[in-house]
Amino acid sequence: GQQVMQIPQYQHVQEGEDFTTYCNSSTTLSNIQWYKQRPGGHPVFLIQLVKSGEVKKQKRLTFQFGEAKKNSSLHITATQTTDVGTYFCAGWEDYKLSFGAGTTVTVRA
Amino acid sequence: DGGITQSPKYLFRKEGQNVTLSCEQNLNHDAMYWYRQDPGQGLRLIYYSQIVNDFQKGDIAEGYSVSREKKESFPLTVTSAQKNPTAFYLCASSPSREGTGFSPLHFGNGTRLTVT
Repeated sequence: GQQVMQIPQYQHVQEGEDFTTYCNSSTTLSNIQWYKQRPGGHPVFLIQLVKSGEVKKQKRLTFQFGEAKKNSSLHITATQTTDVGTYFCAGWEDYKLSFGAGTTVTVRA
Repeated sequence: DGGITQSPKYLFRKEGQNVTLSCEQNLNHDAMYWYRQDPGQGLRLIYYSQIVNDFQKGDIAEGYSVSREKKESFPLTVTSAQKNPTAFYLCASSPSREGTGFSPLHFGNGTRLTVT
């Protein structure tokens, strides 16, 4: 079955710096979704990528889908304290959405 | 407002007891899901249902049971057979896969279950 892996597991960032989190799949993905979970909260959908090589931006967040559709990345520029939380990537396989283990982001002011 | 309601937010049980977690949605979504979240392990799928009166096992179904008698409701029972039941349980829903392709999941606020 499909396995989705994320690295790094933890990311400690100085406020104002940039960072990237990566998502890799053992199989070709039909699409990739990204979610954010704030501390104590529930996952909230951020974005979906479907096309090979697709790049989408949401303000300071840039999402990319690999050419082979087996990997994805999330790049955050000028990190702010509001970026704190865990970021998950997830891929659909049949009727199941499989999540990576997530990257937990903390920010030093 | 449309959404998913999970209750209660915190639940405490003694070992050996079955416990049922509630999940209700008023989004008119066909599909519903139960995930378990443990620290450092992301979200793992327990059960999912694409339509009323039908459901399938996810990746970690052992020790759990579900029912889908109504479109709005998808309760999860954690049985005494589940060896490590203490966890954060998340219910989610999405529109039918056939109708809308790859839909995002809408999550409830979760139930934190502690079994001692």
